[in-house]
Amino acid sequence: QTVVTQEPSFSVSPGGTVTLTCGLSSGSVSTSYYPSWYQQTPGQAPRTLIYSTNTRSSGVPDRFSGSILGNKAALTITGAQADDESDYYCVLYMGRGLRVFGGGTKLTVL
Amino acid sequence: EVQLVESGGGLVQPGGSLRLSCAASGFTFSNFWMSWVRQAPGKGLEWVANVNQDGSEKYYVDSVKGRFTISRDNAKNSLYLQMNSLRAEDTAVYYCARDEGLSWFGPWGQGTLVTVSS
Repeated sequence: QTVVTQEPSFSVSPGGTVTLTCGLSSGSVSTSYYPSWYQQTPGQAPRTLIYSTNTRSSGVPDRFSGSILGNKAALTITGAQADDESDYYCVLYMGRGLRVFGGGTKLTVL
Repeated sequence: EVQLVESGGGLVQPGGSLRLSCAASGFTFSNFWMSWVRQAPGKGLEWVANVNQDGSEKYYVDSVKGRFTISRDNAKNSLYLQMNSLRAEDTAVYYCARDEGLSWFGPWGQGTLVTVSS
């Protein structure tokens, strides 16, 4: 069974830069997995940030960016703000309509 | 404005059934794949199922195969999830989401809570 891995938690200082990653328990993440990223605050529905590796969804500020770093997908937040404190989830496309979420990263801004 | 509004959640006993609905508006519903995604209390997100534009192609996560059925009614701009043989581990908030190119999720609904408990 394919497991998508994310850091359980991360912290960043206000104004700082943080990179969250999304990997596979076996193998490397490439653009062929069409990685996407979602932000969720408690009690709210997820919000789409990035799709197809590095395309920002409508209305998402350019301090959020996506890439492939080594064998993982990555979400970088540049100039972190207090309201970036959220849970972040990646999704990988496994083919035949199947998607798998990572376990999520809880980001603290302090 | 795109809107997705889920309904049909509630408390159900183990082994019971429930049918969730998602009413779509603000876009041409029949042009898009649609998905259900769930989130157990305090846990992460899990993709559950999706369906293509005319309902002829459907995919499910292994844990719900044979128990859940996704469907749609394009005339009513509605997506459904029929859930049978419910288990405690199916307790979650269920979101409907519009599929974008099969690889990512666009707009999301606000979710409906399903609680499976005796």
